[in-house]
Formats: sequence, structure tokens, C-alpha cells
Amino acid sequence: QSVLTQPPSASGTPGQRVTIPCSGNRYNIGNNTINWYQQVLGTAPKLLIHRKNQRPSGVPDRFSGSKSGTSASLAISGLQSEDEGDYYCAAWDDSLNAWVFGGGTKLTVL
Amino acid sequence: QVQLVESGGGVVQPGRSLRLSCAASGFTFSNYGMHWVRQAPGKGLEWVAVISYDGTITYYGASVKGRFTISRDNSKSTLFLQMNSLRPKDTAIYFCATELKVWGQGTLVTVSS
Repeated sequence: QSVLTQPPSASGTPGQRVTIPCSGNRYNIGNNTINWYQQVLGTAPKLLIHRKNQRPSGVPDRFSGSKSGTSASLAISGLQSEDEGDYYCAAWDDSLNAWVFGGGTKLTVL
Repeated sequence: QVQLVESGGGVVQPGRSLRLSCAASGFTFSNYGMHWVRQAPGKGLEWVAVISYDGTITYYGASVKGRFTISRDNSKSTLFLQMNSLRPKDTAIYFCATELKVWGQGTLVTVSS
């Protein structure tokens, strides 16, 4: 069981906006910034969002992150077929002195 | 460009040891904290360990604490993970990552008799 909770699956049609939630507690999401990753089958995870909704160079602005209290979410607008893959949230946990990941959400573009 | 290349994976019997390496290039290795993250077959990501830029501070995930040791050689731009008392549940692809931003392609460790 992961410390951060994500739904196992999500889906949308091309052009649609989808959101992927990530729930934690005051020691992780509530007190630290969130990283979001995309992993396409068979490849290494790719950082999408870090710090306060910062996107690394090359990540389209269709991807955005938000946080409220002990929950966070990743929004993908203008959904494209290439967005299919697994998405993970991560945060530092002050009580565990460890990084913690969500269990991952498999995004399907219908 | 930033490049991380893991090596040292393979098949090992339960209870034995293995040492992973991660060769870094394209950036000033000694300026950045480094992580190991693993992914069991068909499963999600699990954080393993982190080491500070100068090697003085380390933290570990609960499942590997006391068995794994993270270290680095800044003169060779290389990160290490010494894995002792390996268990079948340690079977996974092991990724190194710089500050959890740029990731290597991973190396597969299989613990099986």
C-alpha cells in the first residue's frame, strides 16, 4: 500500500481535459512540494512537474499541477494519444524521512 | 546532455550481495544529490535511497534500511548501491536519478535461487 493514494486508472478522449488526483497527509503533500512523473511502457520515468508547478524544459504547458491541503492533482488539457502511460506523484515525507510515491495511475486515451 | 547509465544488475541468489553503479556525465555530478528508485515487474515506483551532493547525508526506504548502502565517488562521477542480504522481493529494475529529475534507463536485478 502506497503512502500517497492515486486511482489505478483514468481515461479521456482526444482533446479532452483529464485530472489525476493524489492524496497524502500533512507530513508529505501537506508540507512539501509534489513531483509528477510520466512513464511510457518500457521506458524510464520522465519528470513532468516539480516544485510549485514548474515544468522542466520540453514539457508542454498542457501539463499542470495544483495542490490544496493534503491533496494534489495533475491536469492534462488537450489530451493526445501520446499521453497514454502511467503517471506517478511523489513527495518528501517529513515523518518517514523518505520520499514516497503514489501507486500510479494508468491513463488511457480512448 | 545529462546522461545516467546504470550497470551491475543480474541474477543473484537470495542472501547474496550485489553492487550497482551509475555513471553520470553531462553535468557537474558533485553539485547534486542522487537517488536510487526501483520498480518491481508490473508494479509501481518505489524510492530506495538518496545521498547528498557531498555524500555526508543519506536516507533509505524502510524496506532496504540496514541492508542497502548508497555511496558516491565524485572524482569519478559515479553513484553506487551496495545491496546485501538480497531477497526475492528486491527483484526490480533499479534506476538512478539526479534529484529525482533526470533518470537513467535502469538495470535489472533478479533475486532467485
